[in-house]
Amino acid sequence: EDQVTQSPEALRLQEGESSSLNCSYTVSGLRGLFWYRQDPGKGPEFLFTLYSAGEEKEKERLKATLTKKESFLHITAPKPEDSATYLCAVQASNTGKLIFGQGTTLQVKP
Amino acid sequence: EAQVTQNPRYLITVTGKKLTVTCSQNMNHEYMSWYRQDPGLGLRQIYYSMNVEVTDKGDVPEGYKVSRKEKRNFPLILESPSPNQTSLYFCASSFQGTGNGYTFGSGTRLTVV
Repeated sequence: EDQVTQSPEALRLQEGESSSLNCSYTVSGLRGLFWYRQDPGKGPEFLFTLYSAGEEKEKERLKATLTKKESFLHITAPKPEDSATYLCAVQASNTGKLIFGQGTTLQVKP
Repeated sequence: EAQVTQNPRYLITVTGKKLTVTCSQNMNHEYMSWYRQDPGLGLRQIYYSMNVEVTDKGDVPEGYKVSRKEKRNFPLILESPSPNQTSLYFCASSFQGTGNGYTFGSGTRLTVV
C-alpha cells in the first residue's frame, strides 16, 4: 500500500536553530515527491518537486533532498515567519494519485 | 492572478440539507481534485477529474458527488450532509495531473449540525 509518514509531528525551534523534517514513503513507482507549506486556515502552498534519488532543491532557508525511501526538508537558520505546517506528498506512477503525509507543524520562536 | 477560488469559505448547515461548494480555476488546468482535511487524518482525496466530463473516485467518495461540465469549474455536491462530513475542504488543480505545483484553494470550513 502506498503511504507517507512524516516526523516529527511537531517541532519547536529557536530562531536560528537549524533542523530537518523527515518524510518516509512507500510507493509502487515514484512519479514525484512534493513538499508543501500550509499556514493556519489556508490551502497548502507548493514548495518543491523531487523526482529521483540524489536530487536536491533549495529555496531561501529551505532545502529538500530525496533518497529511495525518504525525503528531508532542511531548515537553515529559521525565522519566526517559517512557522507553518509542512506537508510531504508522493505521486505514484501507476495511479497518478497524490498521497499526503499528516504533516509536521513547525514553530520558530524569536 | 493564477488562482483556485472556492465558495463559500465557511458554511454551517443542518443534516440532510443539500449543499454545493463551488470551485473555479483560471489556469486552464486539466486536472482538478477535492480533498478533505481532518485532524490526525491529513488530506484525503474525495474525487478527482482528469478533464471535462471525466471524473473518478478518490479515497473517501461516500456521500459526495462532483461534476465537470466545464474545464474551469468542479463543484462538490453533498446531497444529504451528515455530521461526519464536518471538515475543512480544499479544491486543487494542476497541469495534467502532475503533483508539480498543485494549486489549492483557500478552503471551505463546513459544519453539519
